[in-house]
Amino acid sequence: DVKVTQSSRYLVKRTGEKVFLECVQDMDHENMFWYRQDPGLGLRLIYFSYDVKMKEKGDIPEGYSVSREKKERFSLILESASTNQTSMYLCASSPDPTGAAFFGQGTRLTVV
Amino acid sequence: DQQVKQNSPSLSVQEGRISILNCDYTNSMFDYFLWYKKYPAEGPTFLISISSIKDKNEDGRFTVFLNKSAKHLSLHIVPSQPGDSAVYFCAARDNTNAGKSTFGDGTTLTVKP
Repeated sequence: DVKVTQSSRYLVKRTGEKVFLECVQDMDHENMFWYRQDPGLGLRLIYFSYDVKMKEKGDIPEGYSVSREKKERFSLILESASTNQTSMYLCASSPDPTGAAFFGQGTRLTVV
Repeated sequence: DQQVKQNSPSLSVQEGRISILNCDYTNSMFDYFLWYKKYPAEGPTFLISISSIKDKNEDGRFTVFLNKSAKHLSLHIVPSQPGDSAVYFCAARDNTNAGKSTFGDGTTLTVKP
């Protein structure tokens, strides 16, 4: 079974802090994604990556950056956390762009 | 402008009956559609998909129907079971746009025993 693991289930950070959300997948998938889920807004794509050191902006990249130094790991970085970044963050991977995505369990981030 | 819409935020169904979840889209470039199920405190899991060249795909109790002319798809669950209670997300993929998926807001299905 594909496993996508996010490093934290719950995080509480202060406004202005730099926040790292880590995601690791164990199935050698080329493609990895970061989404955020908010009530009434569904899942919105922040960034995605189709290869190591490659990244593409999604629909809402502002205030975020990503890093993919190794194939199995995709990190989401909040450069200076703000309260409007309080959300559920979901990482996903897929074997190809047309395939179904496998999601991690999510990280509930609260910025105070 | 929301390109994928699930107009019913919630649906309640009796166990054993049919559950029908609906999804509408506006982008005619979408050519692949997926349904995901999400339980509380877990990430979404893939349920079933359909290519735009088909109008129906079936997997056990789950069937997805696609009406391209109406830009509408639906997920049928027959018979519904209490364990099906979850949030269901519709997603659409545009393979001319780097294969990115666009998700709907989700529909919360409650199956009552």
